[in-house]
Amino acid sequence: GDSVTQMEGPVTLSEEAFLTINCTYTATGYPSLFWYVQYPGEGLQLLLKATKADDKGSNKGFEATYRKETTSFHLEKGSVQVSDSAVYFCALSDQGGASKIIFGSGTRLSIRP
Amino acid sequence: DVKVTQSSRYLVKRTGEKVFLECVQDMDHENMFWYRQDPGLGLRLIYFSYDVKMKEKGDIPEGYSVSREKKERFSLILESASTNQTSMYLCASRGQGGFFNYGYTFGSGTRLTVV
Repeated sequence: GDSVTQMEGPVTLSEEAFLTINCTYTATGYPSLFWYVQYPGEGLQLLLKATKADDKGSNKGFEATYRKETTSFHLEKGSVQVSDSAVYFCALSDQGGASKIIFGSGTRLSIRP
Repeated sequence: DVKVTQSSRYLVKRTGEKVFLECVQDMDHENMFWYRQDPGLGLRLIYFSYDVKMKEKGDIPEGYSVSREKKERFSLILESASTNQTSMYLCASRGQGGFFNYGYTFGSGTRLTVV
């Protein structure tokens, strides 16, 4: 079945460092891909998405490119801030509506001032 | 701004109590979902509903039931709360249609502690 694998955390970086969180997926079709972010004590928020190969999703300085050839959707940010400390979830959907979205296990990111 | 609202942020209940977690969305979405989130286990789907009065079991339905009497409201019921149901509960909704690029909209979560 479909699955999402993302890098284990926690990831700890200094402020202004470059961030990469790796995500790879397995799917039978051509899924849509998502990154969600969860700040402490909150629910998940959609950070960005991409719906077809070579699409780049971007938001709040974060970017991820849908790479069909490597089945990847890595999250990147050029200069992280303390406020980016959160848990990040990679996810996929290959059907709409009532079909559930498949989530990765989450990567906790901590940014040191 | 569109919203999924969960009625309580924090809840403490006693073992054996019947517990209701409420979720309301204002986006006219057909599909609603209940997850629980535990450290090291990620998000696990409990139940979902694709229409009023319709429900489907997710991956971990044991010990839970749901109710969807109105389109905007999806309730999760713990028939007899146990300590192993202490968790963060997340409600989500999703629109219908042929486009699978629509993600979930999540509520803020309810942290339930069963003592």
